[in-house]
Amino acid sequence: NAGVTQTPKFQVLKTGQSMTLQCAQDMNHNSMYWYRQDPGMGLRLIYYSASEGTTDKGEVPNGYNVSRLNKREFSLRLESAAPSQTSVYFCASSDGGRGETQYFGPGTRLLVL
Amino acid sequence: RKEVEQDPGPFNVPEGATVAFNCTYSNSASQSFFWYRQDCRKEPKLLMSVYSSGNEDGRFTAQLNRASQYISLLIRDSKLSDSATYLCVVNKDSSASKIIFGSGTRLSIRP
Repeated sequence: NAGVTQTPKFQVLKTGQSMTLQCAQDMNHNSMYWYRQDPGMGLRLIYYSASEGTTDKGEVPNGYNVSRLNKREFSLRLESAAPSQTSVYFCASSDGGRGETQYFGPGTRLLVL
Repeated sequence: RKEVEQDPGPFNVPEGATVAFNCTYSNSASQSFFWYRQDCRKEPKLLMSVYSSGNEDGRFTAQLNRASQYISLLIRDSKLSDSATYLCVVNKDSSASKIIFGSGTRLSIRP
């Protein structure tokens, strides 16, 4: 039982490049989330998906897009990376969407030069 | 004022000591509360939920004070393995988009 997996673990991009962060969960959870974590700040919600086929903006959605491909997978895309998007990105899932326990992936460390 | 505030620490205490830290929240309508633990360069993991009546799990006790709008975490007989950052999480309502993470309190246990 792998839980929540994320790829890649590390990535270096140049300003303006695009990339997609992948996330998958094998716990049959309905809800999935993308967060970013910056030094001195709490995790901030970028986008979430309460159920398959739905996505909604979180606190900091600008510069990102998401796709809930199926119940297992939720991807995050940076269309034109900026240095301000240098961060650690965490994907999470939960059974419901009301603040129940969230299970996090190991994170993706992204550096935009 | 931040919606969820925590003392960043670090709290540096000897092994075996009791340590406590609080987390304040600004929205009085907040509905659910959690403590997560995050080890260095790792993902957050749920430590415990915080119920109105308070709850205890081994050496850990969490309490909620709605009147003063804070939650607390008490760790008794601290172990070296308790060294981590403790994140306070508040859900402002029943929507997933209203889950707010505090920036965390760093705890370091020394031998």
